[in-house]
Amino acid sequence: SQQGEEDPQALSIQEGENATMNCSYKTSINNLQWYRQNSGRGLVHLILIRSNEREKHSGRLRVTLDTSKKSSSLLITASQAADTASYFCATKTSYDKVIFGPGTSLSVIP
Amino acid sequence: DGGITQSPKYLFRKEGQNVTLSCEQNLNHDAMYWYRQDPGQGLRLIYYSQIVNDFQKGDIAEGYSVSREKKESFPLTVTSAQKNPTAFYLCASSIDLDSSSTDTQYFGPGTRLTVL
Repeated sequence: SQQGEEDPQALSIQEGENATMNCSYKTSINNLQWYRQNSGRGLVHLILIRSNEREKHSGRLRVTLDTSKKSSSLLITASQAADTASYFCATKTSYDKVIFGPGTSLSVIP
Repeated sequence: DGGITQSPKYLFRKEGQNVTLSCEQNLNHDAMYWYRQDPGQGLRLIYYSQIVNDFQKGDIAEGYSVSREKKESFPLTVTSAQKNPTAFYLCASSIDLDSSSTDTQYFGPGTRLTVL
């Protein structure tokens, strides 16, 4: 029962560039969360945006939410090699548990 | 990974054996989850528990079993009925699991299970 899907599946950029990844979902949500997973590790929560919010910032992270298009984007500015990881969006509806998308693999080349 | 521990980090199993993966949390969270992750894939939910002595099947529960006898602990047993158990297993917890909560999840470091 896949709710969210990230795009692109993989992204490779040079250090210092911005990285943008997108998440599309199918049904109305209460909130959308982004997580990061370094290779071989658990996921770490990055940021949460509620359905009545349009944009949130946290350090070099900027998340937007467009409920009319059922989509969200995660922007990482001035990327660093340490940002190399997989990024997952997770959607929460009022009637179901959180569902994770398949993820975007980001490689930041020094 | 703060607050959630999983052990062991690596586990090797012979075909036909049951193995139990440990998950402990000290966050006082009511809800706990088990996910399976295959290489290059997302997370698939195996089981989840909203409260002690209660748990629900996720999307891929066949061949797995769980128990929730204590709030802090949610062990996962991979049985011999699971035909392709080699994977990375992640445990997570959240404060609670209801329609009004955010369900922000906190993950353990994972256990990599390999069937020999």
